Amino acid sequence: GQQLNQSPQSMFIQEGEDVSMNCTSSSIFNTWLWYKQDPGEGPVLLIALYKAGELTSNGRLTAQFGITRKDSFLNISASIPSDVGIYFCAGTGNQFYFGTGTSLTVIP
Amino acid sequence: DAGVIQSPRHEVTEMGQEVTLRCKPISGHNSLFWYRQTMMRGLELLIYFNNNVPIDDSGMPEDRFSAKMPNASFSTLKIQPSEPRDSAVYFCASSVAGFTDTQYFGPGTRLTVL
Repeated sequence: GQQLNQSPQSMFIQEGEDVSMNCTSSSIFNTWLWYKQDPGEGPVLLIALYKAGELTSNGRLTAQFGITRKDSFLNISASIPSDVGIYFCAGTGNQFYFGTGTSLTVIP
Repeated sequence: DAGVIQSPRHEVTEMGQEVTLRCKPISGHNSLFWYRQTMMRGLELLIYFNNNVPIDDSGMPEDRFSAKMPNASFSTLKIQPSEPRDSAVYFCASSVAGFTDTQYFGPGTRLTVL
């Protein structure tokens, strides 16, 4: 079935650096969502995007719904150790699709 | 709001035993989803209920898996008999209205079948 491709697959960054990750699909989506999953926990919703071109922030996190409706971006500014985890994008079209995940490691 | 509640959080069982996982969705949410997550396959949708009725169970691996939703506040996922390859984290999620609505996930049940 449809898979959302996330990149990069993993990132190792220094504390304080900014982070960028993106998600692409071959089909158009109506909604883009970004989740974070901590070890041993379920995915937690970070940001939801509902319109093409929409730019939404949640604290140090900013996400954008791509104009083509086939991609989305998540940026984290001034990373801190607790940002560590796996970040998943998800999209809804006629179904709900999950991305492959980006594993983020923040080095203090 | 308490969020999606799952129990147990961890389950260790022996091959051949029956396993029952439980989920309480967020109050007012009409849709419930069961997922399985493994390193190899990522997050896979097993089954989806809308207003307590199973809508899509095409992701259920085989007849050993069954799911029920007897009322709006409770669902079970049963594996009988369990096999080692069923070892995974099982998540329940709920949304207000269907597949295209934002889904909220529970903390998961980590299942180990020896």
